[in-house]
Amino acid sequence: EAQVTQNPRYLITVTGKKLTVTCSQNMNHEYMSWYRQDPGLGLRQIYYSMNVEVTDKGDVPEGYKVSRKEKRNFPLILESPSPNQTSLYFCASSSTRVPGLAVSYNEQFFGPGTRLTVL
Amino acid sequence: AQSVSQHNHHVILSEAASLELGCNYSYGGTVNLFWYVQYPGQHLQLLLKYFSGDPLVKGIKGFEAEFIKSKFSFNLRKPSVQWSDTAEYFCAVLKYTGFQKLVFGTGTRLLVSP
Repeated sequence: EAQVTQNPRYLITVTGKKLTVTCSQNMNHEYMSWYRQDPGLGLRQIYYSMNVEVTDKGDVPEGYKVSRKEKRNFPLILESPSPNQTSLYFCASSSTRVPGLAVSYNEQFFGPGTRLTVL
Repeated sequence: AQSVSQHNHHVILSEAASLELGCNYSYGGTVNLFWYVQYPGQHLQLLLKYFSGDPLVKGIKGFEAEFIKSKFSFNLRKPSVQWSDTAEYFCAVLKYTGFQKLVFGTGTRLLVSP
């Protein structure tokens, strides 16, 4: 089954304790992205990756890191979480409509979400 | 400033009522348009999308949307809603500025009462 998976689904942690949220897709998609969803703000992009070893900041990258060492995986790292990073996080991926043409992406497929609480 | 606007934050309808959710964006140039739905406790699912061609697009579950380029709008419609349509609806615009960027509206919470 084609899907985007995230782990863990729920996480409660304390300020300053490093954590990683994993994201994996089995659709061979080039593009992957992380979003956070907060009430009244919709989804805001944290980081994105257009392919292996190619990552860039989205709208709200502060306090987050990512890596893309393999095509299928795109982990989100919080080196020193703070309470303002309490949120619902979604990973997403998409393919290109024209192979190799980075500006022709299809719709994004979303993972099930990770609800993070930082105390 | 918000680049994708969903003016209705909360909508309450009775079953069988017609639905129209507004979406306006402020980008010029090439855009692709999407509506996503998020049922309670679930992830986002694609309802419909517009890339090119017929500006009236039909999606799943009886939803449709019309792209009106002159108005920078992509409103979502359904002629008769069901209780199971209770969800949050997000409009999203994929814009190209040397790279792709998907920008979401703030969402509209729809409650359909039986």
